[in-house]
Amino acid sequence: SAVISQKPSRDICQRGTSLTIQCQVDSQVTMMFWYRQQPGQSLTLIATANQGSEATYESGFVIDKFPISRPNLTFSTLTVSNMSPEDSSIYLCSVRWGTNEKLFFGSGTQLSVL
Amino acid sequence: QKEVEQDPGPLSVPEGAIVSLNCTYSNSAFQYFMWYRQYSRKGPELLMYTYSSGNKEDGRFTAQVDKSSKYISLFIRDSQPSDSATYLCAMNPKAAGNKLTFGGGTRVLVKP
Repeated sequence: SAVISQKPSRDICQRGTSLTIQCQVDSQVTMMFWYRQQPGQSLTLIATANQGSEATYESGFVIDKFPISRPNLTFSTLTVSNMSPEDSSIYLCSVRWGTNEKLFFGSGTQLSVL
Repeated sequence: QKEVEQDPGPLSVPEGAIVSLNCTYSNSAFQYFMWYRQYSRKGPELLMYTYSSGNKEDGRFTAQVDKSSKYISLFIRDSQPSDSATYLCAMNPKAAGNKLTFGGGTRVLVKP
């Protein structure tokens, strides 16, 4: 499987600030995905990031709130902007890899907003 | 109604017992089915990946798919305390579609 490194692993932030989460993959991948997992909830796809093009956002998520960069085939960042306590979640980076392009996840970023 | 339903648990079993987990779904377009294990403060880890109806075995894990009933199961034999985690089912209409639909997860606790 692909090795996916995510930083930071956790952070506590103040309301109104922004946090940028980094995701590094040990192999080149076409698409990278960003998911959110709110407390006690399942995973919800935020956006799909392709290298060299704008990210594609799912319903309910907008670029101004969750800007994404994808400068190359092994790296992506997700920024959570103007944070509120409702943004407290685990944010997960994921990639498709291997036979049938199975979905693999990074270890996640646990974000708490005060 | 959610597309994928999964009992949140917690499911508590003694060590060595069989853990039985399941998900039901409503979208008949789902063709590919996965089970993920998620330890606390970690990302989900892919355990099983199945396509056809029937059983697939991998070590102590057996995944079962019944497309006619829109029902999938995961069985863990000889459960260990290290199996204590949240188990998420996920499914997709295509092998490499744009996104998976996840169940809410079942929290499992295996007591020594």
